[in-house]
Amino acid sequence: DAGVTQSPTHLIKTRGQQVTLRCSPKSGHDTVSWYQQALGQGPQFIFQYYEEEERQRGNFPDRFSGHQFPNYSSELNVNALLLGDSALYLCASSLLDRGRFGGELFFGEGSRLTVL
Amino acid sequence: GDSVTQMEGPVTLSEEAFLTINCTYTATGYPSLFWYVQYPGEGLQLLLKATKADDKGSNKGFEATYRKETTSFHLEKGSVQVSDSAVYFCALSLTSGTYKYIFGTGTRLKVLA
Repeated sequence: DAGVTQSPTHLIKTRGQQVTLRCSPKSGHDTVSWYQQALGQGPQFIFQYYEEEERQRGNFPDRFSGHQFPNYSSELNVNALLLGDSALYLCASSLLDRGRFGGELFFGEGSRLTVL
Repeated sequence: GDSVTQMEGPVTLSEEAFLTINCTYTATGYPSLFWYVQYPGEGLQLLLKATKADDKGSNKGFEATYRKETTSFHLEKGSVQVSDSAVYFCALSLTSGTYKYIFGTGTRLKVLA
């Protein structure tokens, strides 16, 4: 049973560029959440997708956008990259409403983005 | 606002020592509480959880009790092993009005043989 898979694992971009990160949820999961983990910090919620719609968004600017596909996989896009966007981006999947009512989030290993 | 506060690390212990990592929270309503662990180069894994007051979560020798009166969820283990070396995150999930989890800043544990 495949867990949450993310790609790419590492990437380097320069300021002003755009990046797309990809996530395949754990088999049977229908909800995908994205988190940003800066060095030495805990994960910060970016947004969550269910049924191809953004259900909730954290305190991130519009430069951060996402998408969920009919097969439940998801993309995170970041435009006009800033140095401060350098972080580990984590994808987490869950079942409907379990992520809300105390259920378990399953995390991928993350995509480490470095912005120069 | 809702938040989680963890003791700062790093915590360095000898093998077989007793571990406590403190976690307190602030939340409106009645959150579910979690401990996640992150091993080097890996994503976060759920270690244990508790969904209501006085619940005790346990897994792999780790325990934590949901204390509503002190708004705490301290992680304990009676005898740590080198393989427990990792970063531990306390987190909460509100049971209504939001889908997000709120994480603490993490506590790095290093266990020496």
